[in-house]
Amino acid sequence: AQKITQTQPGMFVQEKEAVTLDCTYDTSDPSYGLFWYKQPSSGEMIFLIYQGSYDQQNATEGRYSLNFQKARKSANLVISASQLGDSAMYFCAMRVNQGAQKLVFGQGTRLTINP
Amino acid sequence: GAVVSQHPSWVICKSGTSVKIECRSLDFQATTMFWYRQFPKQSLMLMATSNEGSKATYEQGVEKDKFLINHASLTLSTLTVTSAHPEDSSFYICSARDFSFRSYNEQFFGPGTRLTVL
Repeated sequence: AQKITQTQPGMFVQEKEAVTLDCTYDTSDPSYGLFWYKQPSSGEMIFLIYQGSYDQQNATEGRYSLNFQKARKSANLVISASQLGDSAMYFCAMRVNQGAQKLVFGQGTRLTINP
Repeated sequence: GAVVSQHPSWVICKSGTSVKIECRSLDFQATTMFWYRQFPKQSLMLMATSNEGSKATYEQGVEKDKFLINHASLTLSTLTVTSAHPEDSSFYICSARDFSFRSYNEQFFGPGTRLTVL
């Protein structure tokens, strides 16, 4: 079975600082993908970044980067130069690349950016 | 990315009534759609996977007779909450997959439907 664990229920960061949101995963499948989504108070799920299990380099998308440590089974999200608009819930998710290819979500981390 | 819509965005109903939620892929054909449920301050829990033209696959613990899913076309899936009760109040989110979309970001989420059962 696949499992995603996010151990930080809440994070508080000063504006313009960098922040790391933790995510560990568990799967026995060799082929999988890891996703990070942002969910503002409006409820929509906004895709941020993706990392494939066979990708050699860490994924980056603008201010977002993914610190992928395969041996440790961790996929932490790093947000550089945080902005007030970054305040939201953040979910880590995993998709195993076989069968129905369902997404399994972690519990989420509520990030609050303070001015 | 592709666009997925949901209708209605919010609904309030009386206990015992049935509510239908629509999920549409607007600019692509979705061979697979997923329905999630999210309680306040909790994560998304997958309820079922629906494939166009076939029966939905429900996750363990989800009552298929309570949550009826129909995926009659490549652009529309519906979730009907039958005989809704206050404990069914939740945020329901759908997502759609387009297998012809070659990017890894191939599951697109709708904006969600907030259901409140009085």
